[in-house]
This record gives sequence, C-alpha cells and structure tokens, in this order.
Amino acid sequence: NAGVMQNPRHLVRRRGQEARLRCSPMKGHSHVYWYRQLPEEGLKFMVYLQKENIIDESGMPKERFSAEFPKEGPSILRIQQVVRGDSAAYFCASSPPLGDITQYFGPGTRLLVL
Amino acid sequence: AQSVTQPDIHITVSEGASLELRCNYSYGATPYLFWYVQSPGQGLQLLLKYFSGDTLVQGIKGFEAEFKRSQSSFNLRKPSVHWSDAAEYFCAVDHNNAGNMLTFGGGTRLMVKP
Repeated sequence: NAGVMQNPRHLVRRRGQEARLRCSPMKGHSHVYWYRQLPEEGLKFMVYLQKENIIDESGMPKERFSAEFPKEGPSILRIQQVVRGDSAAYFCASSPPLGDITQYFGPGTRLLVL
Repeated sequence: AQSVTQPDIHITVSEGASLELRCNYSYGATPYLFWYVQSPGQGLQLLLKYFSGDTLVQGIKGFEAEFKRSQSSFNLRKPSVHWSDAAEYFCAVDHNNAGNMLTFGGGTRLMVKP
C-alpha cells in the first residue's frame, strides 16, 4: 500500500510565476490536508479537503493560494504570482473517511522562489 | 490562545543514553496527541498517538510517551538512543478530536553524539 505521494519533490519558480503542487492520498483515504513549513519552524495548517469539498481553509492566505480535491485525480495546491516569502516545504497528509483519524504525511514539496 | 510548546529547540545526547523530549499544550479539554519524527529533507513519520485510555503509549522504534493531564504534557521518551534517532521531533495536537486540523509545536532537533 503506497503512502501519500507528492510531486514534484522540488520546485523552483521565479517571482510572479505560478506553482502547482500535487498530492495523491493513500489508497482508501478521502481526507486531505495541506501544511506549510517555513525554514526552522514547525508545520502550520493551511487547508482540509474532502472529495470536491473544502472543509476548513482557515489557514490559507487570503490571496494567491487555492486548493482543490477533485472527484478524480490528486489534490492540487496552487500558488499564483509567487513571492520569495512563499519559499517553504509544503506537506500533504491524508486520513481515512472513518475510524482512524490519524494523518499520514507525504514527503513534501520544497518550493524555492527566486 | 491554543498552543503547543516544545521548550527544547535543540537537544544533544550520547548514543546509548536515555532521552526525554518535552511537549506541553494549552487546551481546555484533552485533545488527541501525536508525536512525529522528521529526518532531514524528508516527510513526517508517525511515532505514536494518544486518543484515550492508558496514559503510557508505546510507539515505533522503541519510543514511548506519557500523557499527564495535570501537567498538560505529553513527553516523548526512549531508554537508549541510537545514532539513527538523530532527527527533528514534532509534537502535534488535534484539539477538535475530529481529525481535521493538527497544531504542531516548533520541534526539537535531536543530535546524537557517538
């Protein structure tokens, strides 16, 4: 059973470009979470999604950031017009629909904005 | 404000020595509690979790943690540290007990001396 998959693992963008980060949850998991880890800091919650629904986006910046989890395919975290302060590691986690609520994390995408 | 505190930013121990990493949380009720480990450039791996019941929880890699309600603590311990345990350790809390948003501590970086 493959774990949570994230791609790309590393992403370099210039200021003003768009960044798209993908997350495929573990098999059987229908809940996806995105977290951001700034250098030398802990993880900060961004958004919680279920299939085709955003459940909690209280940690998402108000502008330039969006997330989706379509019926088919991976969850996407999209950052428009990136700035240097967006440089961070972005982690996705997933959990099953019932029972165990433990979140299992992917390897992360390291975004560097030049 | 609700928070998770890991008072020790860095800890260095000798290989074979015992280890205790501290975690305190500030929530009204007993939240679900987790410890994760992150190796350099990697994602987060779940070490152990506490939902209810026995306050001493056993995890992987020989780790254990004890929930102490009176101290609002969930300290991680290992009786004998191995060089491969060098990593960053994060305590996390699900204060809604609903499996949505995890709040992380700032992390403790463990170094192991030979």
